[in-house]
Amino acid sequence: GENVEQHPSTLSVQEGDSAVIKCTYSDSASNYFPWYKQELGKGPQLIIDIRSNVGEKKDQRIAVTLNKTAKHFSLHITETQPEDSAVYFCAASMGKLIFGAGTRLAVHP
Amino acid sequence: DVKVTQSSRYLVKRTGEKVFLECVQDMDHENMFWYRQDPGLGLRLIYFSYDVKMKEKGDIPEGYSVSREKKERFSLILESASTNQTSMYLCASNPSEGHMATSRLPRYFGPGTRLTVL
Repeated sequence: GENVEQHPSTLSVQEGDSAVIKCTYSDSASNYFPWYKQELGKGPQLIIDIRSNVGEKKDQRIAVTLNKTAKHFSLHITETQPEDSAVYFCAASMGKLIFGAGTRLAVHP
Repeated sequence: DVKVTQSSRYLVKRTGEKVFLECVQDMDHENMFWYRQDPGLGLRLIYFSYDVKMKEKGDIPEGYSVSREKKERFSLILESASTNQTSMYLCASNPSEGHMATSRLPRYFGPGTRLTVL
């Protein structure tokens, strides 16, 4: 079945730096790739998504890229701020959503 | 704003007890989900409901059942709680958008219920 691997498991950056989180998926039929942000004490929140017919999508300081050939996709956060600190989950779907294990991002002032 | 609420933030139960976790959404969404979240494992789907009284098993339904008697409420039931069901439980919802595959995927999550089974 589908498997999604996410790296790194923890990431620490200085405020203003960029952060990159990478995911790989196993099922080449996957066609939808959302990213969720989970702040402490809250449920996950969908922050950006990309479909398989698009290579890149941007929304202000966050962007997602997709390489279908290599079966990997990445989340890029530029000009990080302390409020970006959270756990980030990637996921891949071909009808059913499979989540990565999560990345705990810490942004230090 | 869409609101998904869960009845308890923290719950402590004993092995063998019957446990009810309640979830309510206020946006008339057809689709509702129950996930459990464990460190290093991400989120795993327990059950999905696409309409009142309709349900589908997810990836890990063993030891769980669900009830959807009203559109806004989706209940997760642990018939006989066990220690390996200690976890964070997340409810989610999403409106149906015609035949778009993404409508069957969770979009709006509740805050979670952290269940400890002793």
